[in-house]
Amino acid sequence: ETGVTQTPRHLVMGMTNKKSLKCEQHLGHNAMYWYKQSAKKPLELMFVYSLEERVENNSVPSRFSPECPNSSHLFLHLHTLQPEDSALYLCASSQTQGNWDSPLHFGNGTRLTVT
Amino acid sequence: RKEVEQDPGPFNVPEGATVAFNCTYSNSASQSFFWYRQDCRKEPKLLMSVYSSGNEDGRFTAQLNRASQYISLLIRDSKLSDSATYLCVVNTGRRALTFGSGTRLQVQP
Repeated sequence: ETGVTQTPRHLVMGMTNKKSLKCEQHLGHNAMYWYKQSAKKPLELMFVYSLEERVENNSVPSRFSPECPNSSHLFLHLHTLQPEDSALYLCASSQTQGNWDSPLHFGNGTRLTVT
Repeated sequence: RKEVEQDPGPFNVPEGATVAFNCTYSNSASQSFFWYRQDCRKEPKLLMSVYSSGNEDGRFTAQLNRASQYISLLIRDSKLSDSATYLCVVNTGRRALTFGSGTRLQVQP
């Protein structure tokens, strides 16, 4: 098993669809993340689950809804997305303790296209 | 001031050249620093962590300057395969690591 696995790798959805992205980490880490990478833009942090606490970026629209049922699994539920939401969505995990973080380990990402 | 700032480049260098990138950060309390490499349309991959005393991994050297709040990455003897975007990553005091916008390197034959 690779460290962080994401499914699906590619997703095309209409604006009225509901879909979910899935992420699983096998590294025993205590923090999981969703990042968004749009074309020619830096990675933007969307959500963090760290030590069972959710930290979110307030600029993330409510059409993105994260779920973290346990420390190994992370979902991103998508509904009524817009074409500008088309991007690469990356899941990552790390071990965090206070102000110290281990490096992030990324999954392969889900390339999302909203039509 | 951005939390983590990098020169976007591109840096175009010939094979065998030495190239250096800097990255500045705004939070003086930051404790964790990393350099990642990202190839086109792929996920970022850890290149190296950055330690207070500086560290080296083969052709790559990373340094931290806390007084001036920047980290640097030096690549010696550049290879064609080094062409990529190099991302600076810093713990910015929230429970997350913040990425710089990346510096693009193109090594030319």
